[in-house]
Amino acid sequence: GQNIDQPTEMTATEGAIVQINCTYQTSGFNGLFWYQQHAGEAPTFLSYNVLDGLEEKGRFSSFLSRSKGYSYLLLKELQMKDSASYLCAVREEAGNNRKLIWGLGTSLAVNP
Amino acid sequence: NAGVTQTPKFQVLKTGQSMTLQCAQDMNHEYMSWYRQDPGMGLRLIHYSVGAGITDQGEVPNGYNVSRSTTEDFPLRLLSAAPSQTSVYFCASSAGTSVHNEQFFGPGTRLTVL
Repeated sequence: GQNIDQPTEMTATEGAIVQINCTYQTSGFNGLFWYQQHAGEAPTFLSYNVLDGLEEKGRFSSFLSRSKGYSYLLLKELQMKDSASYLCAVREEAGNNRKLIWGLGTSLAVNP
Repeated sequence: NAGVTQTPKFQVLKTGQSMTLQCAQDMNHEYMSWYRQDPGMGLRLIHYSVGAGITDQGEVPNGYNVSRSTTEDFPLRLLSAAPSQTSVYFCASSAGTSVHNEQFFGPGTRLTVL
């Protein structure tokens, strides 16, 4: 079946590093997205991984291991504005059927 | 570019009323979709379109209709509102004809059905 698991909530301190994990079980895996969503706002794209390894983009990095069904989003030098929900989404493709499966999101609170 | 725009931002309906949520994008994106987001449920796909004149059902299509007469516009119609349709609705678009690419979301419509 299709399943995406993320921690519901995390807290971290300003200036620190935090890792948000995402595990998934899907058939026909074809890519994984991370989105950021501030309270009361729309999701915005952060990263995309389709091959194993680490993708770095400024303070944010995303890692994928397809064999383990595992990804993480790494946020460095945390700032107060990083307080948001982080959504993991897996792209699944089976024949002509393509879909995006969303996790419930991890709510990150950054404290001073 | 305005990106993806949605109107209205907020709406209160009574059970049984109908209304249309508007969505427009100015990025010439082929793929557009409607999601609803509810606490504890995550984002769920309602309907999507891979281009003008083409629409298809998503995960939770019942009670909603869509049309895509132009590349820019993708309105969502609630036929007879029910309290279960109280939610935040997001329209999204992406380049290409599938959900394979980065999606750009509109600001959302917060709908309450009494």
